[in-house]
Amino acid sequence: DIQLTQSPFTLSASVGDRVTITCRASQNIVTNWLAWYQHKPGKAPKLLIYKASILESGVPSRFSGSGSGTEFTLTISTLQPDDFATYYCHQYNSGFPWTFGQGTKVQIK
Amino acid sequence: QVRLQESGPGLVKPSETLSLTCNVSDASVINSYWTWIRQPPGRGLQWIGYIYHTGSTTYSPSLKSRVSISIDTSKNQFSLNVSSVTTADTAVYYCARFNYLIYAIDVWGPGTTVTVSS
Repeated sequence: DIQLTQSPFTLSASVGDRVTITCRASQNIVTNWLAWYQHKPGKAPKLLIYKASILESGVPSRFSGSGSGTEFTLTISTLQPDDFATYYCHQYNSGFPWTFGQGTKVQIK
Repeated sequence: QVRLQESGPGLVKPSETLSLTCNVSDASVINSYWTWIRQPPGRGLQWIGYIYHTGSTTYSPSLKSRVSISIDTSKNQFSLNVSSVTTADTAVYYCARFNYLIYAIDVWGPGTTVTVSS
């Protein structure tokens, strides 16, 4: 299996801050099929980014993704009140089971 | 806009089988991949498995021996069975669509809570 390790586990930040979350894979993710989701309590997860850096339609441009191979990042350029949530990375690699990162909780400082 | 809705018992006894159904609205289950994901209390998202409309399936290795996913194209729905459940199977269960054009899960159901308890 490809393991995904996110860091940090918890992040305390203020509105207006720039936030970066890292997702490291135990093996190379060929074709960079890595996605990022936002998850709030009591709601379904929401797709933010796919193929490492492509913004899903309707997602604010303050969200961006980058990376390739085994290291990927999600950046929120200017944190908004609505962005306090848990964020997960997820990989699809042909021939391997899907996996999610363990999640990064972005909380109010 | 594709909509998904999970349904099934909210309480299951240990050693019994957990069964959930996902009804798909405003889209056909044909020519798409459909998946189940769960979140145990206080933990992260855990992928369970997926199915293609042909009935081809892939499961998480950690659950493979107890999980079965099926699809009914005539009813436009797909289902999950987890056998021999324990309290560790208590979770919010989500059904979702895997969009193979972008290789990401782009539509999710609202989730349903299943508690395993006697």
